[in-house]
Amino acid sequence: GNSVTQMEGPVTLSEEAFLTINCTYTATGYPSLFWYVQYPGEGLQLLLKATKADDKGSNKGFEATYRKETTSFHLEKGSVQVSDSAVYFCALRSSNTGKLIFGQGTTLQVKP
Amino acid sequence: GAVVSQHPSWVICKSGTSVKIECRSLDFQATTMFWYRQFPKQSLMLMATSNEGSKATYEQGVEKDKFLINHASLTLSTLTVTSAHPEDSSFYICSARDRQTLVSPLHFGNGTRLTVT
Repeated sequence: GNSVTQMEGPVTLSEEAFLTINCTYTATGYPSLFWYVQYPGEGLQLLLKATKADDKGSNKGFEATYRKETTSFHLEKGSVQVSDSAVYFCALRSSNTGKLIFGQGTTLQVKP
Repeated sequence: GAVVSQHPSWVICKSGTSVKIECRSLDFQATTMFWYRQFPKQSLMLMATSNEGSKATYEQGVEKDKFLINHASLTLSTLTVTSAHPEDSSFYICSARDRQTLVSPLHFGNGTRLTVT
């Protein structure tokens, strides 16, 4: 079945450090891939997306590339800020069912 | 942008009572809404898919008689937790997709924190 696996957190970085959060997936068909962010006490917000292989999603300095050969969608940011502290969820949407499947989430804490 | 409003944001209830959570799409019509449950420090688990004008589709292991879903209009879906027990305490999140853009990402509500005492 479809599944998403993220690197375990928490990830603690200093401000301006480089961020990578790994995400790999298992899916049949041609899924779309997403990164969502959940700030403390809030709901989920779409951060970026990619709908086909080799697409790169980007937003607010974050980016992720849909790699079909490695079934990955790693999230990166060159210089994190304290305000980026949140929980990040990688997700896929099945092309067969339309359902959104989430990874377990990775907590990012950025210290000044 | 598209907004999904979820109400209440938090609720405390006594064991054995029922609680209703509302999910509204404020500026778009949503043929389909989804209900998720999130345990502390865990991912979101899809509970059910709510379809306007028809019965909800529940995921395996979710009790449909306990988690009643009604999607009476294109902008409102409700989740009622019946005869709540402490193990039902969780964070419930709804999401909706604009019917005009079926391939668009889901828009999420801010969630409802349910505590059953």
